[in-house]
Amino acid sequence: QSALTQPPSASGSPGQSVTFSCTGTSSDVGGYNYVSWYQQHPGKAPKVMIYEVSKRPSGVPDRFSGSKSGNTASLTVSGLQAEDEADYYCSSYAGSNVVFGGGTKLTVL
Amino acid sequence: QVQLVQSGTEVKKPGSSVKVSCKASGGTFSRHVISWVRQTSGQGLEWMGRIIPILGIADYAENFQGRVTITADKSANTVSMELSSLRSEDTAVYFCARQDFDWSPLDCWGQGTLVTVSS
Repeated sequence: QSALTQPPSASGSPGQSVTFSCTGTSSDVGGYNYVSWYQQHPGKAPKVMIYEVSKRPSGVPDRFSGSKSGNTASLTVSGLQAEDEADYYCSSYAGSNVVFGGGTKLTVL
Repeated sequence: QVQLVQSGTEVKKPGSSVKVSCKASGGTFSRHVISWVRQTSGQGLEWMGRIIPILGIADYAENFQGRVTITADKSANTVSMELSSLRSEDTAVYFCARQDFDWSPLDCWGQGTLVTVSS
């Protein structure tokens, strides 16, 4: 059982937008602005796409955006492309630990 | 550009221990934090613990307290994670990953090491 709750799957057609949720508690997501989102393709290591709720590392397309409200963080992928099909994991600092969600599998139809 | 290079696949018996290494290639760990994260089939990602190699100070996730030990060899630019009392549920891919601080994103990952626990 993962500490953060994510829907197991999501889908969208090319060009559409999709939003993933990540629900935690006041001890993690709600308590810190240190939420990250990771993209993972099969057989590969995760790659950070968003950090500190809404910041994008250099090289990450601006189609990826993050936000947070209370204990729930969200990742939005706009203008879906085939290469966006992957697993997406949220993560939050939790005082001394790092906690992850169970992941959402994004299918691009 | 520093890369994290991990040791190879391991097959272990239940009750035994495994040690996985993570070497900084093309640079050093500097003042970074190195975390270990595992990924079990169908269970997503799970943070196990971290170390600050330059200080040698480690702390661990509650779920792994007493079973995991993370160490650093500064001269070899290598961090190691040892997990003991292995059980079948420990079968997973183990990743090392770099952070600037405890709360920072994991911005550089090793390639992962598959550990299979089977009798």
